[in-house]
Amino acid sequence: AQSVSQHNHHVILSEAASLELGCNYSYGGTVNLFWYVQYPGQHLQLLLKYFSGDPLVKGIKGFEAEFIKSKFSFNLRKPSVQWSDTAEYFCAVNDYRDDKIIFGKGTRLHILP
Amino acid sequence: GAGVSQSPSNKVTEKGKDVELRCDPISGHTALYWYRQRLGQGLEFLIYFQGNSAPDKSGLPSDRFSAERTGESVSTLTIQRTQQEDSAVYLCASSLVSYREQFFGPGTRLTVL
Repeated sequence: AQSVSQHNHHVILSEAASLELGCNYSYGGTVNLFWYVQYPGQHLQLLLKYFSGDPLVKGIKGFEAEFIKSKFSFNLRKPSVQWSDTAEYFCAVNDYRDDKIIFGKGTRLHILP
Repeated sequence: GAGVSQSPSNKVTEKGKDVELRCDPISGHTALYWYRQRLGQGLEFLIYFQGNSAPDKSGLPSDRFSAERTGESVSTLTIQRTQQEDSAVYLCASSLVSYREQFFGPGTRLTVL
């Protein structure tokens, strides 16, 4: 079965620091990849997605993610974080074998002002 | 409305009582998902609907949990004889088709005393 690993459970950064959150999945076939974000008190919302094409994906609010098939990875990056990026971030994968999207356990990001 | 809605937003119940949680997906979305999010945990898949049928019920934790969807629209998740370990936020999501990005509702916070 597909599994998704997010290695960092809790990350604390200062404003303007660079961010990289790790995400690895287990199935090596064709995949759809997602990053979702949950700001405090708000719904889960889509940050960015990869279906095919350019493996470097741009999302909202300056976030990007790179799909590296050989590493089974889809890491999330932002060059300079802001206090408003404080949230929980979830990586998710669909591998076409079924219709489920499997979510990682999430990474809590706390940005110090 | 434009988004996924869920009701009630909060539910406090006594152990042993039955509860019913409701989800109204985005109009036209054929796929509907239920997840459970325990405090500090990731998203736990419960059940998935394509139209009114549920091809994947594998995530339902026990036979106390059931769900239905009617009119390719509203879905209800029923928990019978609630237990304290059922306390969690129950999230509903819908998507246009099954493997595309999901749009989440605000969740129902269930507390079993």
